[in-house]
Amino acid sequence: GAVVSQHPSRVICKSGTSVKIECRSLDFQATTMFWYRQFPKKSLMLMATSNEGSKATYEQGVEKDKFLINHASLTLSTLTVTSAHPEDSSFYICSARTAGNTIYFGEGSWLTVV
Amino acid sequence: QKEVEQNSGPLSVPEGAIASLNCTYSDRGSQSFFWYRQYSGKSPELIMFIYSNGDKEDGRFTAQLNKASQYVSLLIRDSQPSDSATYLCAVNLHRGSTLGRLYFGRGTQLTVWP
Repeated sequence: GAVVSQHPSRVICKSGTSVKIECRSLDFQATTMFWYRQFPKKSLMLMATSNEGSKATYEQGVEKDKFLINHASLTLSTLTVTSAHPEDSSFYICSARTAGNTIYFGEGSWLTVV
Repeated sequence: QKEVEQNSGPLSVPEGAIASLNCTYSDRGSQSFFWYRQYSGKSPELIMFIYSNGDKEDGRFTAQLNKASQYVSLLIRDSQPSDSATYLCAVNLHRGSTLGRLYFGRGTQLTVWP
């Protein structure tokens, strides 16, 4: 079974609203998680590194005020897309790193902004 | 984003043939290299990782790394129709960076026909 769970797997929201995506490590504690975005027929693009108890580190070109990341516990990181617009519609995937430096990916979350 | 380039494909091979997937990367600081397989609408699955120059074999899969040429490849022997998927090359800056912070290529779509 999945060791990293994302929720929701699919979400539709109205333009201008905010939506939160959760990433949970089920069997291990993850001090570091990562968020990616993937547009159709494109590759995964790293958005940010989420560190438990501290601020996320964003990749160049990713708006930190639009994509809010919170990593409040060792098993949960959340990505909130604020004031979502249709161009934010994408597949959002998280990954989590174990203490043994193994990376597990979540199942992904499809966001559609209408 | 660090540049990771893959031959765009699509690559089509007959069942039983060897499929060769190639990847180049721009950052000489890259320390670890990964091949993932991704089915449409799903999250990536790790096939292999390689850290050192040379070949690494795992079953039907062989990863080859040449850091001097900044080149990494994946060979799939005895290709099966079930191998049909998009193959993603990913690199990680290990030194001074966070393990798991992966930069992906656009992927090569492989089709293995019976």
